[in-house]
Amino acid sequence: AQSVTQLDSQVPVFEEAPVELRCNYSSSVSVYLFWYVQYPNQGLQLLLKYLSGSTLVKGINGFEAEFNKSQTSFHLRKPSVHISDTAEYFCAVSDLFTGNQFYFGTGTSLTVIP
Amino acid sequence: DVKVTQSSRYLVKRTGEKVFLECVQDMDHENMFWYRQDPGLGLRLIYFSYDVKMKEKGDIPEGYSVSREKKERFSLILESASTNQTSMYLCASTSSVPSYEQYFGPGTRLTVT
Repeated sequence: AQSVTQLDSQVPVFEEAPVELRCNYSSSVSVYLFWYVQYPNQGLQLLLKYLSGSTLVKGINGFEAEFNKSQTSFHLRKPSVHISDTAEYFCAVSDLFTGNQFYFGTGTSLTVIP
Repeated sequence: DVKVTQSSRYLVKRTGEKVFLECVQDMDHENMFWYRQDPGLGLRLIYFSYDVKMKEKGDIPEGYSVSREKKERFSLILESASTNQTSMYLCASTSSVPSYEQYFGPGTRLTVT
């Protein structure tokens, strides 16, 4: 089974500053990688996904992530955050062997400070 | 627009009660999932189903059961609710392999007193 590590449980950042949320996963076999966002009292919404091809993927709300196979990482970045980005962010992995099962990290709480 | 709905947003039950959490998806997805979400633990898989009347245990199935009588509906059952089952419960669905995205419902916040 895969394991997903989000090293930072809480990330405070000032408005308009850049941010990086880190994600590492355990296996280097063919994987699909995802970032989800959860606003307070809501379900999870897909931000972006990597399936194949270009290692830099762009998502909604100005977020992007880079797949690094050698480091088994998929870090999420945004060059300038807004107050509305305050939310919980989850990294997830699925692979060809587990098929439909997703493995989630423990989440990173991003707080944007005005 | 794709949609996964859950029967309740908030639920308060007493210890020992039987609790039903319902999930319905309108995307004709084969696969459905139940997770619980707790602070610091992320999402943990309780049960999932690949087809009608089929179910598979996830990482934390103890104290739970599920039912899938129709393709669009996946129910989570707490046979005898306990206080340690107080949590946020999230339902998700996805189409068959490969899984390009799981679609989530809004969640049910269950409190067991």
